[in-house]
Amino acid sequence: GENVEQHPSTLSVQEGDSAVIKCTYSDSASNYFPWYKQELGKGPQLIIDIRSNVGEKKDQRIAVTLNKTAKHFSLHITETQPEDSAVYFCASRNTGGGNKLTFGTGTQLKVEL
Amino acid sequence: GAGVSQSPSNKVTEKGKDVELRCDPISGHTALYWYRQSLGQGLEFLIYFQGNSAPDKSGLPSDRFSAERTGGSVSTLTIQRTQQEDSAVYLCASSLNTGHLISPLHFGNGTRLTVT
Repeated sequence: GENVEQHPSTLSVQEGDSAVIKCTYSDSASNYFPWYKQELGKGPQLIIDIRSNVGEKKDQRIAVTLNKTAKHFSLHITETQPEDSAVYFCASRNTGGGNKLTFGTGTQLKVEL
Repeated sequence: GAGVSQSPSNKVTEKGKDVELRCDPISGHTALYWYRQSLGQGLEFLIYFQGNSAPDKSGLPSDRFSAERTGGSVSTLTIQRTQQEDSAVYLCASSLNTGHLISPLHFGNGTRLTVT
């Protein structure tokens, strides 16, 4: 089955700096890659996603890049703010597995003042 | 609009007891998922319902776990004879899946289960 690896597990940045989280996947048939943000005591919330026919997607301070050849994708957050502090999960969708997502193990991002 | 609703938000039970967790998906969403999140871990897939198709149960960890989805809407996840290792946050998600359209998953806030 699909395997998604995510790193780093923790990331601390100064407010205003950029943060990058990286994920790799194993199934070359995967075609959808969302990123979720989870705040304490809440469920994960979708923040951005990318499909396999696109190499990069931006939404204000957030961007995601995808390298299908290398089977890795990354989340980039620019001009980080304290409210960006949360756990971030990457995921991939296996086209042979219905619409279920396989998640990475998460990255605890802390933005320090 | 209303999101995915899960109840109870917290559940403490004694080892060996049965528990039922409830999920109300977003109205009109045809797909429903259950995931489990252990402390400091990622999300582990449990089961997936899509319309009237047979559910994908490939993630259920043992036969003590079962789930139903009645009338294509509300779902209950049942854990029989609970064990301490069942302690986790159980997350439900729904999505609007039509044909090959890739639809995002929307998660509830989960039920935190503690088995003592």
